[in-house]
Amino acid sequence: QSALTQPASVSASPGQSITISCTGTSSDVGVYNFVSWYQQYPGKAPKLIIYGVSNRPSGVSNRFSGSKSGNTASLTISGLQTEDEADYYCSSYRTTYTWIFGGGTKLTVL
Amino acid sequence: EEQLVESGGGLVQPGGSLRLSCAASGFTFSTYWMTWVRQVPGKGLECLANINKDGSEEYYVDSVRGRFTISRDNAKNSLYLQMNSLRVEDTAVYYCARDLNYNGPWGQGTLVTVSS
Repeated sequence: QSALTQPASVSASPGQSITISCTGTSSDVGVYNFVSWYQQYPGKAPKLIIYGVSNRPSGVSNRFSGSKSGNTASLTISGLQTEDEADYYCSSYRTTYTWIFGGGTKLTVL
Repeated sequence: EEQLVESGGGLVQPGGSLRLSCAASGFTFSTYWMTWVRQVPGKGLECLANINKDGSEEYYVDSVRGRFTISRDNAKNSLYLQMNSLRVEDTAVYYCARDLNYNGPWGQGTLVTVSS
């Protein structure tokens, strides 16, 4: 199964905003509103930060937002903080009860 | 607090077997689909297997179908992953997670190392 496509890395300075893209197909991102985003620090389990394309779990900062257009979903982080430096993964439901993940994006806050 | 705790990881030889467990607490386990996800060290995430609420339906990714079996015991609030015919490339951290479509917890992960 092909993974969703994410940029390998992005970088920005504190206070700036960044957007991470997640490109799928008409069999996953393009047809289902079940896109999630995860934040992962080294050696830690992934933490859900966005589900259902644009919903934030309780306790997740409103600096994190999600959206989708066609086959591409996006995660935007505004007002970057040094603590946002982590790996970010997208996932989407795909037909026949499977879920597919992106390859991950390493965010560096300079 | 909704929580998932994995156990059962360890070192196993190629061709060997291992059974992972995932203990759920803080929510009504029997009302959710459950999933096993793995992560090869330094690599991305891979959804391996999913099971429906009562355990009557199971779905697998191609790389583990026929070797791994997902199951659950709703009376014990537990999820399992029986792994047979293990390969070196199965070395990874294994996570259990609740219904990937919605807001649900993940476990802390358990490391499985397949090596001679």
